[in-house]
Amino acid sequence: KQEVTQIPAALSVPEGENLVLNCSFTDSAIYNLQWFRQDPGKGLTSLLLIQSSQREQTSGRLNASLDKSSGRSTLYIAASQPGDSATYLCAVDGNTPLVFGKGTRLSVIA
Amino acid sequence: DAGVIQSPRHEVTEMGQEVTLRCKPISGHDYLFWYRQTMMRGLELLIYFNNNVPIDDSGMPEDRFSAKMPNASFSTLKIQPSEPRDSAVYFCASSLTSGGYNEQFFGPGTRLTVL
Repeated sequence: KQEVTQIPAALSVPEGENLVLNCSFTDSAIYNLQWFRQDPGKGLTSLLLIQSSQREQTSGRLNASLDKSSGRSTLYIAASQPGDSATYLCAVDGNTPLVFGKGTRLSVIA
Repeated sequence: DAGVIQSPRHEVTEMGQEVTLRCKPISGHDYLFWYRQTMMRGLELLIYFNNNVPIDDSGMPEDRFSAKMPNASFSTLKIQPSEPRDSAVYFCASSLTSGGYNEQFFGPGTRLTVL
């Protein structure tokens, strides 16, 4: 059974800092990995999707990497801003569609 | 496109009552997913459909939960009878395909409170 773990559970950083969020999964037989953002009381917004054959994807200040063999992904946020404050979830799509981690709650302090 | 539409956005009901949540997927998407989010368990997949046919309902917690997709543009998740432990946010999502580039798009969710 696929299990997805995100560390840390919460993170607080000053504005402007670069940061890395971590995601690990137990079953490497995946089709893709997705990173989502969730604002309080809101739905999920897809940030990046990395297919199993890819190593990384970039969108603006965000860069996500995937190491399928070791069961790890990272989300790198450059030059963080207060507007980046949210919960970030990773999810893996494999034999069971989209198994989610519990997220990392990010606070960027101005 | 309006995205995935869910209704109601908030539902407060009393224990024992029937609750029906509704979802309209993005037009043209073949897959529809129902999730539940709680603080304790995070986001859990309840059931998903492909071309209106239920594919995997192993995440449905009990027989009190049922889901239908009578056509490509509408799905319901029903809880009967509801219990306080069903209180959660229920999300519907849809995607164009499965596997490789299966980007799922989520609705805003329905916050259910069972008193």
